[in-house]
Amino acid sequence: GAGVSQSPRYKVAKRGQDVALRCDPISGHVSLFWYQQALGQGPEFLTYFQNEAQLDKSGLPSDRFFAERPEGSVSTLKIQRTQQEDSAVYLCASSYTTDTEAFFGQGTRLTVV
Amino acid sequence: AQTVTQSQPEMSVQEAETVTLSCTYDTSESDYYLFWYKQPPSRQMILVIRQEAYKQQNATENRFSVNFQKAAKSFSLKISDSQLGDAAMYFCAYRRGYGGATNKLIFGTGTLLAVQP
Repeated sequence: GAGVSQSPRYKVAKRGQDVALRCDPISGHVSLFWYQQALGQGPEFLTYFQNEAQLDKSGLPSDRFFAERPEGSVSTLKIQRTQQEDSAVYLCASSYTTDTEAFFGQGTRLTVV
Repeated sequence: AQTVTQSQPEMSVQEAETVTLSCTYDTSESDYYLFWYKQPPSRQMILVIRQEAYKQQNATENRFSVNFQKAAKSFSLKISDSQLGDAAMYFCAYRRGYGGATNKLIFGTGTLLAVQP
């Protein structure tokens, strides 16, 4: 596609519910990043993929967060048993290589009620 | 650990005037990149300008330019001839320069820029 596509744009989840957020990177982009942006804050790194390999998951806040990119293209960020503090915008970014410009999607705004 | 600090939560500028957004950072590395991103209400991060640490010359992109002071670890963004479309949240960001396993971006907390007609 022309850009990084994320779905859904908005998600409301009841506390305790599981959610799955999808990221379609730019075709051919090797690197894929997930960031979490709390209200009024800058994005914070969650995890990084190089093709299908998850090389860095140091930013995942708890074991309730899980990300995958099984075929090296589309990625899914899954949050189990959502809690109110998980409410944030989740941004996905992709780049051709690790050293080239990262392009961002429009994010998914998750609200946990 | 690297940190990025933006001390101006909000700024305002008159249309056609010039405004400077401040950013400081802390790192022990010598090879890195610095970026300014714009985030409009649509939430999509848009790259405004980037600076390689090894370059002494300040980067410029049309109306946008930076003042990169490596010794002071300062990286400010100047917007000239401000336009209504410049109104957005602006984030300063840092990234390691070498091709390590993760070239994640480290962001500041942002500056909300308002442009007055």
